[in-house]
Amino acid sequence: GAGVSQTPSNKVTEKGKYVELRCDPISGHTALYWYRQSLGQGPEFLIYFQGTGAADDSGLPNDRFFAVRPEGSVSTLKIQRTERGDSAVYLCASSLIEGSEAFFGQGTRLTVV
Amino acid sequence: AQSVTQLGSHVSVSEGALVLLRCNYSSSVPPYLFWYVQYPNQGLQLLLKYTSAATLVKGINGFEAEFKKSETSFHLTKPSAHMSDAAEYFCAVSESGGSYIPTFGRGTSLIVHP
Repeated sequence: GAGVSQTPSNKVTEKGKYVELRCDPISGHTALYWYRQSLGQGPEFLIYFQGTGAADDSGLPNDRFFAVRPEGSVSTLKIQRTERGDSAVYLCASSLIEGSEAFFGQGTRLTVV
Repeated sequence: AQSVTQLGSHVSVSEGALVLLRCNYSSSVPPYLFWYVQYPNQGLQLLLKYTSAATLVKGINGFEAEFKKSETSFHLTKPSAHMSDAAEYFCAVSESGGSYIPTFGRGTSLIVHP
C-alpha cells in the first residue's frame, strides 16, 4: 500500500478481554515500530522489529503485551486481560532501514470500558 | 540513553507572526533529529529531519530547523504562521550507530490566532 495501514481504527473492549491490533507497513520497509500515545503526551515506544525478529521490546509495559511479525511484513500487537489504563492510541510506524525516517499510520484508538 | 525536551506545551502566535518551537535533546552519540506534525485525529507526518549533513534543515510547509550541537538544540521555526499550521508538533531523536529507535518529546501545541 501507499502508506502504513492500521486496523481497526477504533476498538472498544471490556476490561479483561483480549485484543489484537494490526499494522500493515509500507512495502519493503524492514523496520517496524509500535508506540502508544496517551492524551496530551508524545508517542511512547513499545517494541521495535527488524525483519521478523523483535530487536527491542524494552518498552512493553508488562507481560500482558506481546507483538509478532511472522513474515517480516504485517505485525500484530496483542494485549491480554485488558485494563482501563491500556486505553490509548496505538501507533505503528515503519522505515526503510534503521535510522531512516519513520512513517506512521493513523493509529488505533483503544478504549477499555 | 537519549531523550528530548520540548519547552512549552502550548505556543500561541498571531497569523503572520514568527513561529518558534523549542527542542533540546540528549544523546550519547551523534543524533538523528526529526520534527513531526500531528493534526487532530491523524497520524504523525514528518516535517523535516537532520542526519548529520547540513545543520540548517528545510522541511515542508515552510518550516526549517537548525541543529546546534553546542546547545544540544533543534528548534523549529517558520517566518510567518498560517491558520493551517495549528497542530501538535513533536520533536524526536534517534542515535546513529546505536539505537535507531526514535524517542519523542511530549509535544507542543501550536495555536494560531487570526
